[in-house]
Amino acid sequence: KAGVTQTPRYLIKTRGQQVTLSCSPISGHRSVSWYQQTPGQGLQFLFEYFSETQRNKGNFPGRFSGRQFSNSRSEMNVSTLELGDSALYLCASSLEGIGNTIYFGEGSWLTVV
Amino acid sequence: EDKVVQSPLSLVVHEGDTVTLNCSYEVTNFRSLLWYKQEKKAPTFLFMLTSSGIEKKSGRLSSILDKKELFSILNITATQTGDSAVYLCAVINAGNNRKLIWGLGTSLAVNP
Repeated sequence: KAGVTQTPRYLIKTRGQQVTLSCSPISGHRSVSWYQQTPGQGLQFLFEYFSETQRNKGNFPGRFSGRQFSNSRSEMNVSTLELGDSALYLCASSLEGIGNTIYFGEGSWLTVV
Repeated sequence: EDKVVQSPLSLVVHEGDTVTLNCSYEVTNFRSLLWYKQEKKAPTFLFMLTSSGIEKKSGRLSSILDKKELFSILNITATQTGDSAVYLCAVINAGNNRKLIWGLGTSLAVNP
């Protein structure tokens, strides 16, 4: 069974640009959640999607958004990038959502210059 | 504000040592606590704990939760160099806006 797949793995953007990250969950998993990981703040929850609906949300500004498609694949978008958005963005999938075991992808390393 | 605190932040031991990692939490409406291991890649799941006092074991790793004192410990016996990683603790809150609250992790280095 294939694991959680995230693309791209590495990217560099300039301030003010926007970026879209993609996540394909484990086959059969309907929940996809997103996290930002930085050395100073650790892992922080962004949001969770389940059956194409945002079900839970962390405390991030509106520049961070996401969506989920009918095949459970999810995308995360960050608009008007700031230097502080440089981080590892992790996606995780689970069968029924947070509260069950979640499985992480390898992450997308975003550097904003 | 919900928070999860892990200690120590970093630890260096020799192969064969036993280590105990700590995770304390203050979360409204606790549901469960999870442990993950992160090497230079995706975090991998270790344990999910929901009930107090019930030890979970997997090989040389074990973990237990104390819901009265609001903490969990992760034990690793007979450590090996392959145990070197960051160990992350997270707590899931119950309720409608369910989310994972993460600690900063404990960085463990096992020297040969």
